[in-house]
Amino acid sequence: DADVTQTPRNRITKTGKRIMLECSQTKGHDRMYWYRQDPGLGLRLIYYSFDVKDINKGEISDGYSVSRQAQAKFSLSLESAIPNQTALYFCATSGDSYNEQFFGPGTRLTVL
Amino acid sequence: GNSVTQMEGPVTLSEEAFLTINCTYTATGYPSLFWYVQYPGEGLQLLLKATKADDKGSNKGFEATYRKETTSFHLEKGSVQVSDSAVYFCALSTSGGKFQFGAGTQVVVTP
Repeated sequence: DADVTQTPRNRITKTGKRIMLECSQTKGHDRMYWYRQDPGLGLRLIYYSFDVKDINKGEISDGYSVSRQAQAKFSLSLESAIPNQTALYFCATSGDSYNEQFFGPGTRLTVL
Repeated sequence: GNSVTQMEGPVTLSEEAFLTINCTYTATGYPSLFWYVQYPGEGLQLLLKATKADDKGSNKGFEATYRKETTSFHLEKGSVQVSDSAVYFCALSTSGGKFQFGAGTQVVVTP
């Protein structure tokens, strides 16, 4: 079984709809991250959390919110989706600052 | 702030050619450096890493050396295969726990 899972894997929605993307991990890591990937822009950090009670904004948090329901679960919400939020979204975990992040398989979101 | 700059792609090579992808960084403190690979339709996976100056990371025939004096972490492979076709990301992390990624370099290897 995969260590980091994301649901759904693909989603098509309409402008103005509320969307939640979910991430679960079995690695026992405290740190979890949400990124979006756009062609030519690499990965940009949306939100990150270093433990259940810690939530931090990344470089592109506007239009997004998150919830850390448990150590293993970190959800990303788009309260009112807009077309420029069409992207590939990745969840990642890490154990500490100096070791690697582990990525989920990604969610491809299309906002029409 | 921290940043990572890597060469733009796509890089197109013939099988068995030598591959180099340049990566330079700016960071406060002493970052850890990483190369990730993303195969089509998949998430990123770690290819190699180095946590201090002069360390060499290596995996699957790829290698990169942490050069503090030139703030670089160039990725190399001596003989690429078609299966190496992917997007490669250079990244760093610092004590603050945030990772910074480069824009990615697409590599296309033709038979």
